[in-house]
Formats: sequence, structure tokens, C-alpha cells
Amino acid sequence: DIQMTQSPSSLSASVGGRVTITCRASQSISSHLNWYQQKAGRAPKLLIYAASSLQSGVPSRFSGSGSGTDFTLTISSLQPEDLATYYCQQSHSTPWTFGQGTKVEIK
Amino acid sequence: QVQLVQSGAEVKKPGASVKVSCKASGYSFTSYDINWVRQATGQGLEWMGWMNPNSGNTGYAQKFQGRVTMTRNTSITTAYMELSGLGSEDTAVYYCARGEWRGRLNWFDPWGQGTLVTVSS
Repeated sequence: DIQMTQSPSSLSASVGGRVTITCRASQSISSHLNWYQQKAGRAPKLLIYAASSLQSGVPSRFSGSGSGTDFTLTISSLQPEDLATYYCQQSHSTPWTFGQGTKVEIK
Repeated sequence: QVQLVQSGAEVKKPGASVKVSCKASGYSFTSYDINWVRQATGQGLEWMGWMNPNSGNTGYAQKFQGRVTMTRNTSITTAYMELSGLGSEDTAVYYCARGEWRGRLNWFDPWGQGTLVTVSS
């Protein structure tokens, strides 16, 4: 199975600040990497697919990059509504696997 | 709009089975896979398996092989996930999610609202 490792596990940033979350795969997954946002008590929501494609309706302050084994999710200007846990997920080979999550808090 | 609506919360005794439903609307039900993902309280996301509603073909994570069954009723655009031999470790929120494919790329969107399954004696 492909292991996905996110860092950090949690972070705190100010409104308007820049946030970067990294995700590393245990083997190359090309661009088969998706990012989800999960707010407390809610279902996950797709933010980014295929490493860097912004899902329709998602604010442009979210962006994704990377390929191979190393990926990044960036929030360019953190907003109060971005309080959530963020998960990466590989879609290279089954079983599809997720990172352990990064909890983003507002300072 | 594309929507997945799941059945309500369940409480089961150890050793029992649970069957969760996922009603799809707003798109062609047989054109997209349905995946099931679970999340124990305070924990991360765990993929359980997928089903092709057109063919009925399924693929399960090895951890759940022999205990999970994914089925569908195309006439009512509903997918089902049944998990047997429940233990306390199966207490979790269970989500269905539509699997979208573009070439060899795929992702989950949207997700159902989740169904809490509690296993308790």
C-alpha cells in the first residue's frame, strides 16, 4: 500500500497569512494526488484534484503543486472560514489512501 | 445539483451487521463509481472499497475483505454498504463518495453527509 505522510499535523496562522501543508507519498504517484477540506462535523469536500487543478467553486486562494512523491497545498491568504482539517489522498493505485490530516487553526 | 444522501444513524451490538444506504441524485447514477470511506471519532479517513453501479463490479480494501459487501439498486439510484461481524473498532462515521475519473486520474466528489454507526453492547 502507498503510505501518505502529511506535515505538520497541526498549525496556527493569522488571518491573511500564508499557509503551506506538505504531503509525501511512499512511492512515486505522478500527479495522482487530491486534497480535501473537512470542517468539524461535516463531510470532506474536494479542493484540488490531480495535484494542481482547482475544483469548481473553490476560492482561488487555494492552490496545489508537486508531482512524484512531494506535494504542497497552499492557502495564500488564510480566512476565518478556512478553519478545518485538510487531507491529501493518493489515487495512483488501490487501496486509495489518505494522509493523517493537518488541522489548521486561526491564531 | 449532484447529491448523495445517506441513511440515518445506527446502533448495533457486537457481532451484528449494518447496512448503510446512499441515495444519488442530479447525475447519471450508472456513470460513476461509488466509494465508501469511514472515519472513527477524532481519526483520519479510511477507504473501504468501490462499486461500479453499472456493472455491479466491486473492489474492497484487503482489511475489509470477507466482511464488507457493496451493492446497488439502479431503479432507485441507491448504493448500499453492508458490514458484518461488527466490533467496537467499527464505531465510526461512514461516508459514500462519488468517484470521478478523467483518464487515469480520479477523485471523490461529492460526499454524502455521513452515517454514524455505533457498536455497543
